[in-house]
Amino acid sequence: ETGVTQTPRHLVMGMTNKKSLKCEQHLGHNAMYWYKQSAKKPLELMFVYNFKEQTENNSVPSRFSPECPNSSHLFLHLHTLQPEDSALYLCASSPGGVQSGGTQETQYFGPGTRLLVL
Amino acid sequence: AQKVTQAQTEISVVEKEDVTLDCVYETRDTTYYLFWYKQPPSGELVFLIRRNSFDEQNEISGRYSWNFQKSTSSFNFTITASQVVDSAVYFCALKPWAGNMLTFGGGTRLMVKP
Repeated sequence: ETGVTQTPRHLVMGMTNKKSLKCEQHLGHNAMYWYKQSAKKPLELMFVYNFKEQTENNSVPSRFSPECPNSSHLFLHLHTLQPEDSALYLCASSPGGVQSGGTQETQYFGPGTRLLVL
Repeated sequence: AQKVTQAQTEISVVEKEDVTLDCVYETRDTTYYLFWYKQPPSGELVFLIRRNSFDEQNEISGRYSWNFQKSTSSFNFTITASQVVDSAVYFCALKPWAGNMLTFGGGTRLMVKP
């Protein structure tokens, strides 16, 4: 498989459930990202990992918990979510590493997980 | 602070028409990157182009062309002879030279009717 994959593609959960979103990149990249896309808001960056280390947390509530066990995998653990958390969650990756400009900077996105919280 | 504005929320054209999607950005950085992404109904953001701020050459790729004007902080995207498959939401984005933070515009929904 190539590119960035995400599972599941669709998820419905209750507010008391615990679930996890998975992202895997097959591009040999070193940086991975979680974004949230709501119906009426621009794409929002949630978390950034570089070489498995979290380098950005964009004031995300603690009910979202990221995990990056290696440079190819990224998880988003969800618990006690609210209905307003319903959105499309997109994962992305980029080459990252030592900045040399150009191709190091482009982020490639997965197909997203469409989440509905009831 | 960085900001990207796509003033056109929705555009509707008939197939074979040319269409231009506007993008205006704000940044205090002297060097930065600009991007365009396409989001079809399936949801995935598809990378279309990246420009460096120090390279103001316009670019053409098939029916797609991009006009970067640093003086007016604009990075507009034109589709020539539009097709139904071009129907999607298009996002313009800005990234500083250093760091990973991509700032997206609100997107423009393009509908191409047969």
